[in-house]
This record gives sequence, structure tokens and C-alpha cells, in this order.
Amino acid sequence: DGGITQSPKYLFRKEGQNVTLSCEQNLNHDAMYWYRQDPGQGLRLIYYSQIVNDFQKGDIAEGYSVSREKKESFPLTVTSAQKNPTAFYLCASSIDIVFTAFLGNTIYFGEGSWLTVV
Amino acid sequence: AQTVTQSQPEMSVQEAETVTLSCTYDTSESDYYLFWYKQPPSRQMILVIRQEAYKQQNATENRFSVNFQKAAKSFSLKISDSQLGDAAMYFCAYRSMNYGGSQGNLIFGKGTKLSVKP
Repeated sequence: DGGITQSPKYLFRKEGQNVTLSCEQNLNHDAMYWYRQDPGQGLRLIYYSQIVNDFQKGDIAEGYSVSREKKESFPLTVTSAQKNPTAFYLCASSIDIVFTAFLGNTIYFGEGSWLTVV
Repeated sequence: AQTVTQSQPEMSVQEAETVTLSCTYDTSESDYYLFWYKQPPSRQMILVIRQEAYKQQNATENRFSVNFQKAAKSFSLKISDSQLGDAAMYFCAYRSMNYGGSQGNLIFGKGTKLSVKP
């Protein structure tokens, strides 16, 4: 079935460690996104990518890094510079950012990953 | 910058009855999309309904309908014949039609938690 797969579902990180969250999609979408969700809050954009080997910072990119070496993959690294990384992280994709914006194409979401700092 | 406000942190409805969730937004743009997303306990974001700002007709999807008041910048969601499976967080979201920077991004409200009583 087509969709977005995030792993792991739950991840624990020690202070000072970097961790990487995986996001894979088989929808043949060009655009991919990472969002962060905190309790009682909506989603906030961390990074987005329009195409392979290209990505842009969102509203809260500090302490995070991404790569887009393959169309189907958009991993997110939470670095030790992220002061408060405990949150729920959602990966999403859409056909194309331009058409998504102009035509209102749907943004599809994965099932999310919980990251807890211990 | 655009903002989305959901003024009801929690709502409750009796099974089979109707409930309306409120959303207001602020923008200086004339062309945009509005969405309602549902987030059940599984945490996956599911698109419920969308509205194009240039359309005067309110969108409907089965038991879900919206009341879109462009001048008032209001976008409420009505759920008819509520079912136990409707219990979830509901997020209102805005997206510009103008692509540029992260303009294709979704801007979310903080959500309304809907409980359905049997």
C-alpha cells in the first residue's frame, strides 16, 4: 500500500546525543516536510524539501538537520543543540510544493515518532 | 504572518447529535485554502475537509460540513450524527495559494479535543 512510513515509533535520547528519525514514502511525491507537535499545540514546520538534494528551513529549524539524497527518503536528525527535543514528530509529503500551494493538493502525514530525552 | 485560532480547547457531544467546532484566522491574502484535520489517539493526521477561499459554496464531505465566512475570517466545522469514532483532536489549518519560501506550508491552530458520549 502507498503511504508514509516513519520509524522508530518511540525513541529515547540521552542528553548530548544526536538521533535520527526516518521517513520513507512510496507515493512518488516530490515534496516532503517535517513537523513538530508539542502537547496542546498545533504542528510547527521544521524543514521542508521540494526536490532531491534541496531543502529549506521552516519556522523552528534550529537544532535540527535533514538530508534528501533520495526522492523517497527525508530523515530528520535531532542534534544536541536542540534544547527541548521531547515532542511528537510528524513527516508529511505532497505531490509538489508549487501545485500543493496553488491547487491545494493534499499533504499526507505519516504516523509520527515520539522522541523523549532521558 | 497568518495565524489560526481555535478558541475551544475541548468540546463534548452526545452520540448521534450535531456539534460545531470554531476556527478563525487572520490573513491579508485573498487566495488561500482552509482545512480541517482529525488526529485520533493513533496521532496520525487525517484530512477531513478542505475549502478553497475563492469558492463561495461551503464544502461538505458526508457528515462533515463547513461554514466558511470569508469576510469574517471564520471557518467552522459541523459534524452531524456524531459517532464514537469521531472522538479526536481536530485541527484547523490555513495554507496560502502563493508559493514562495514556505508559503506552501500548513499553518495550524492549537486544536479542539472532541469527546463523543455514548
